[in-house]
Amino acid sequence: QVQLVQSGAEVKKPGASVKVSCKASGYTFTSYYIHWVRQAPGQGLEWKGMINPSGGITRFPQNFQGRVTMTSDTSTNTVYMELSSLRSEDTAVYYCARGQMISGNLDYWGRGTLVTVSS
Amino acid sequence: QSVLTQPPSVSGAPGQTVTISCTGSSSNIGAGYDVHWYQQLPGTAPKLLVYGHNYRPSGVPDRFSVSKSGTSASLAITGLQAEDEADYYCQSYDSSLSGSVFGGGTKLTVL
Repeated sequence: QVQLVQSGAEVKKPGASVKVSCKASGYTFTSYYIHWVRQAPGQGLEWKGMINPSGGITRFPQNFQGRVTMTSDTSTNTVYMELSSLRSEDTAVYYCARGQMISGNLDYWGRGTLVTVSS
Repeated sequence: QSVLTQPPSVSGAPGQTVTISCTGSSSNIGAGYDVHWYQQLPGTAPKLLVYGHNYRPSGVPDRFSVSKSGTSASLAITGLQAEDEADYYCQSYDSSLSGSVFGGGTKLTVL
């Protein structure tokens, strides 16, 4: 069965970086995009970008460009999202989710990784 | 401010029908991009509920259906049940932003 297993919760200080992983199993890793969706405490869902594991092409919303890096490792079927220059507003649960294209639905989701930014 | 606009909350009694709207613009829903809907139960990850032209993943009952017209879409839930109490989000693609966009979410309360 399809599974997306994310890394554990992180606590970081402002200005630091965080790297969250998402390990996929149960399907052909390179046939689907991996999207990242952020949910701040008590808030809604916010799309933060995607990567095509086949080739590594990425796409991010403009307000996230420059601070985020997404990479994929086809040997371990794992996608990574690294966010730098962390600020308190980055405190959120970060979900990875599988999609067939940038405009498509997200049919499987990870359980989420809580990133807390606090001094 | 979300690109897609949803009502913050809706409510209904068991057995009733509720509708959740999702209003976009000419660069997303109005441009013909599919709208997808997710259900998020408290403390859990979102779950794909309905996608595209009324397609439902395995296990999702046909009490959930969608419609789309112009720059708006709607999710209808018939025969409300207590287990339907959750947050619901719409999602589409926006060509001017070149990325996916979500609605702000709607909290459904079953009275």
